[in-house]
Amino acid sequence: QKEVEQDPGPLSVPEGAIVSLNCTYSNSAFQYFMWYRQYSRKGPELLMYTYSSGNKEDGRFTAQVDKSSKYISLFIRDSQPSDSATYLCAMRFSGSARQLTFGSGTQLTVLP
Amino acid sequence: EAGVAQSPRYKIIEKRQSVAFWCNPISGHATLYWYQQILGQGPKLLIQFQNNGVVDDSQLPKDRFSAERLKGVDSTLKIQPAKLEDSAVYLCASSLGRDAKLNTEAFFGQGTRLTVV
Repeated sequence: QKEVEQDPGPLSVPEGAIVSLNCTYSNSAFQYFMWYRQYSRKGPELLMYTYSSGNKEDGRFTAQVDKSSKYISLFIRDSQPSDSATYLCAMRFSGSARQLTFGSGTQLTVLP
Repeated sequence: EAGVAQSPRYKIIEKRQSVAFWCNPISGHATLYWYQQILGQGPKLLIQFQNNGVVDDSQLPKDRFSAERLKGVDSTLKIQPAKLEDSAVYLCASSLGRDAKLNTEAFFGQGTRLTVV
């Protein structure tokens, strides 16, 4: 069993739709949860960052963490064609090490 | 602010040849990471440096992979000899450092796409 599971998609939605991306994980010691966006042939770009459980909102993006269920989500409201990319969830333990464990990524296409 | 610089962007080599990748992290970032991203998968950590010391290299195939970060700034990752399964994107990332309270995470370069034929 992988430490972090993510539905690979691909996911295709019309412009303006609400998108829900999800990851589950097995290690309850993870404390920091991130979402990265990766455009084709580019490096991952940090999108959202959450510590422990709760919600965080940034513009059209909302990240949710439910540590009791070991489940994290990213919601994109009013999706745009420019949101078309692969979305990677990532998480890490607390402490100084800071290395990330990634999901496999979900490929999203927003159709105009 | 300049980002993480990597070179080359693309490399094609034959199996059993050697190859090296270079990374220049964001100025002032003490921590540097090398990740391997195989097509269709998320990045997997190969090695982490704190300044010029190795923090974690548990997933680095040490029989063929080596990395160094002389002077705590630039880093090189080498593969010798390469295998077909080494075909992947090699991503370098950097972050500020040890303080877990800082709301900073890793910033990634564009990666080097390696094809082993």
